Amino acid sequence: KQEVTQIPAALSVPEGENLVLNCSFTDSAIYNLQWFRQDPGKGLTSLLLIQSSQREQTSGRLNASLDKSSGRSTLYIAASQPGDSATYLCAVGLRGNNRLAFGKGNQVVVIP
Amino acid sequence: GAGVSQSPSNKVTEKGKDVELRCDPISGHTALYWYRQSLGQGLEFLIYFQGNSAPDKSGLPSDRFSAERTGGSVSTLTIQRTQQEDSAVYLCASSLSRGKIVPEAFFGQGTRLTVV
Repeated sequence: KQEVTQIPAALSVPEGENLVLNCSFTDSAIYNLQWFRQDPGKGLTSLLLIQSSQREQTSGRLNASLDKSSGRSTLYIAASQPGDSATYLCAVGLRGNNRLAFGKGNQVVVIP
Repeated sequence: GAGVSQSPSNKVTEKGKDVELRCDPISGHTALYWYRQSLGQGLEFLIYFQGNSAPDKSGLPSDRFSAERTGGSVSTLTIQRTQQEDSAVYLCASSLSRGKIVPEAFFGQGTRLTVV
């Protein structure tokens, strides 16, 4: 069974610092990995999708890397802003059963 | 609309009552998923629909839970005889599925269910 772990569970950083969020998974046989953002009481917003053949994806201040062999992904958010405060969820696309396995999230607070 | 739409956004029901949750996927998306997010837990897979194929119901927690998808579009998740442990946010997602590939999933805003 695929287990997805996100560390740290919660963190606070001052505005302007770079954010580093870690995701690990136990089974490297994945199709892709997706990072989502969830605001309190809201649904999930897709941030970045990395296919299993890719090493990283970038969108604006966001960069996500994928090391499939070691079962790790990292989401970098450059020059954090208070508006980046949210929970960030990592999900891996599982081979063979068309579903996503989620971590419990990194809860981020950016302090103005 | 352009995104996945879920209704109602909030639902409070009494223990033992039945509830129906609705999901309108993005137009043209053939794959539809239901997930559940309980307090302090990660998202839990419930059910997956792909086109006209038989749904993957392996994540449904009990026989009180059922779902259908009419005309390959709108889906309804039904919970019969609700229990307090059913309280959670129920999230629907859709994607352009291509066989066994798992493409980018787009989620709705969720339905927050509270069973009192």
